[in-house]
Amino acid sequence: EIVLTQSPATLSLSPGERATLSCRATQGVSSYLAWYQQKPGQAPRLLIFDASARATGIPARFSGSGSGTDFTLSISSLEPEDFAIYYCQQRSNWPFTFGPGTKVDIK
Amino acid sequence: EVQLLESGGGLVQPGGSLRLSCAASGFTFSNYVMSWVRQAPGKGLECVSVISEGGANTYYADSVKGRFTVSRDNSKDTLYLQMNSLRVEDTAVYYCAKDRRGNWNYVGTLDYWGQGTLVTVSS
Repeated sequence: EIVLTQSPATLSLSPGERATLSCRATQGVSSYLAWYQQKPGQAPRLLIFDASARATGIPARFSGSGSGTDFTLSISSLEPEDFAIYYCQQRSNWPFTFGPGTKVDIK
Repeated sequence: EVQLLESGGGLVQPGGSLRLSCAASGFTFSNYVMSWVRQAPGKGLECVSVISEGGANTYYADSVKGRFTVSRDNSKDTLYLQMNSLRVEDTAVYYCAKDRRGNWNYVGTLDYWGQGTLVTVSS
């Protein structure tokens, strides 16, 4: 099973700041990595798929990069609605696995 | 508009059974791979099962293999998860999710999710 680790566990930032979230896989997943956002009491929402492609309706301030084992989600300028938990997920091998999440909270 | 509506959750004793349903609308259900993903209270996400467009191919997490069965009725646009021999550790919100592409070879990107149904296994 491919294990994903995310860092940091918590990121405390102010609106308008840049957020950089990391996801690392225990083995290469090519570009088969997605990022999801989850707010309390809500289902996850797809942000980025195949490492760098934005999902439908996702603002341009969200961007993804990386391949192989190291990936990054960047939020260029945090909006109030961006404070949430972010999960990475690989679909290279079954079982498809998620990272433990990075919580982005308001500083 | 894509909508996924789960139902069937509730309180069940260890060893019991439940069947979850997910009613889909707003897209051609029979063209897409579908998944069940669960989230234990305060915890992360776990892919439980995946089923191909026609139902011929399935994946199960090791934690549920032999106890859970995924199926679908494309004539009713509905996805199911039959859960038997339930354990306390199966307690979670269960989400159904649509795959982004209608192709088993590209499975695994979940572009629409339902709101989830809570399954609580407790004596």
